[in-house]
Amino acid sequence: AQKITQTQPGMFVQEKEAVTLDCTYDTSDPSYGLFWYKQPSSGEMIFLIYQGSYDQQNATEGRYSLNFQKARKSANLVISASQLGDSAMYFCAMRGAGGGNKLTFGTGTQLKVEL
Amino acid sequence: DVKVTQSSRYLVKRTGEKVFLECVQDMDHENMFWYRQDPGLGLRLIYFSYDVKMKEKGDIPEGYSVSREKKERFSLILESASTNQTSMYLCASSLSSYNEQFFGPGTRLTVL
Repeated sequence: AQKITQTQPGMFVQEKEAVTLDCTYDTSDPSYGLFWYKQPSSGEMIFLIYQGSYDQQNATEGRYSLNFQKARKSANLVISASQLGDSAMYFCAMRGAGGGNKLTFGTGTQLKVEL
Repeated sequence: DVKVTQSSRYLVKRTGEKVFLECVQDMDHENMFWYRQDPGLGLRLIYFSYDVKMKEKGDIPEGYSVSREKKERFSLILESASTNQTSMYLCASSLSSYNEQFFGPGTRLTVL
């Protein structure tokens, strides 16, 4: 069975600083994908970044980067130069090798960006 | 841009009522999903569909059913609503089995 663990229920960061949100995963599938989503207070889930298990390089998308350490089974999200609009809930999710693109989500980390 | 719409943002129903939650996507996506989101539990998959009239159970299908008669529309049905089904329900779609999922705005359902 697949499992995603996010151990930080809440995080604070000052504006313009970088912040790392932790995500560890557990799977026996050799092929899998890892996703990060952002959920602002309005409720919609916004896709941020994706990392495939066979990707050689860490994924980056603008201010978002994924620190993928396969041996440690971790896929931490790094947000550089935090902005007030980054305040939101962040979810890590994993797609396994089974068909249908099913995702297993973590419990989320609430990030608050302060002035 | 992909757009996933859900029929209601807020819904209040009584115990025992039959409840329909509708989801429509406008990008010809193959896969569609229904999740529920509860505090401290993240999102949990209820059902998904990878083609018209095809459906598969997710992790928590009990008390729910689904219908996908057209590619763009995926309905979640609560046959007899119960108070423990009070939750936020999120619909999502993806182009294929390897693409990111796009989510609708969610329906906050309260069962009294």
